[in-house]
Amino acid sequence: NAGVTQTPKFQVLKTGQSMTLQCAQDMNHNSMYWYRQDPGMGLRLIYYSASEGTTDKGEVPNGYNVSRLNKREFSLRLESAAPSQTSVYFCASLKVKQAHTTQYFGPGTRLLVL
Amino acid sequence: QQQVKQSPQSLIVQKGGISIINCAYENTAFDYFPWYQQFPGKGPALLIAIRPDVSEKKEGRFTISFNKSAKQFSLHIMDSQPGDSATYFCAAALYSSASKIIFGSGTRLSIRP
Repeated sequence: NAGVTQTPKFQVLKTGQSMTLQCAQDMNHNSMYWYRQDPGMGLRLIYYSASEGTTDKGEVPNGYNVSRLNKREFSLRLESAAPSQTSVYFCASLKVKQAHTTQYFGPGTRLLVL
Repeated sequence: QQQVKQSPQSLIVQKGGISIINCAYENTAFDYFPWYQQFPGKGPALLIAIRPDVSEKKEGRFTISFNKSAKQFSLHIMDSQPGDSATYFCAAALYSSASKIIFGSGTRLSIRP
């Protein structure tokens, strides 16, 4: 079990460039999430997908798009990167079990926009 | 805005001491309160969680205390060890609709040897 995997690990972009962050999970979870983490601001939800074929906006969706390609994969796209999108991006999936729900996070993608 | 307020922002504790991190929430509909631990360069990982039907939950050296009337909950780390040095996030969610989880801003904990 690889858990939640993310690619790339690091990326440097110039303002206006586009890129797609990839995420995959092998735990057969229905729900998947994209967060960004900035110093002193915790984790802020960008988009989530409650199940295959559905996506919804989170707290900070502007400047991002997502695709739930299948049950395993959930990608995040920056169409025109801005310096304000410099952050660490985490993908997560959700396991729902009696008395517990657990989010499993990937290792993160560190993005620098110049 | 549904918020979870976490304090302190950073905390230094001597080895063997008790580390205490506090959180407060606003939405009384929240019914699931997890704590996540994050080491540098890694993603957060679930540490311990509580539902509001109990006032305390203990797992090893980690204890959550929950005060429903005050809308507050806290993480206590007993006999703190250098390996506990990490960033801790509290969170609040609707268990029945766990599609959104609201996170606190995080506490950077350092345990001095």
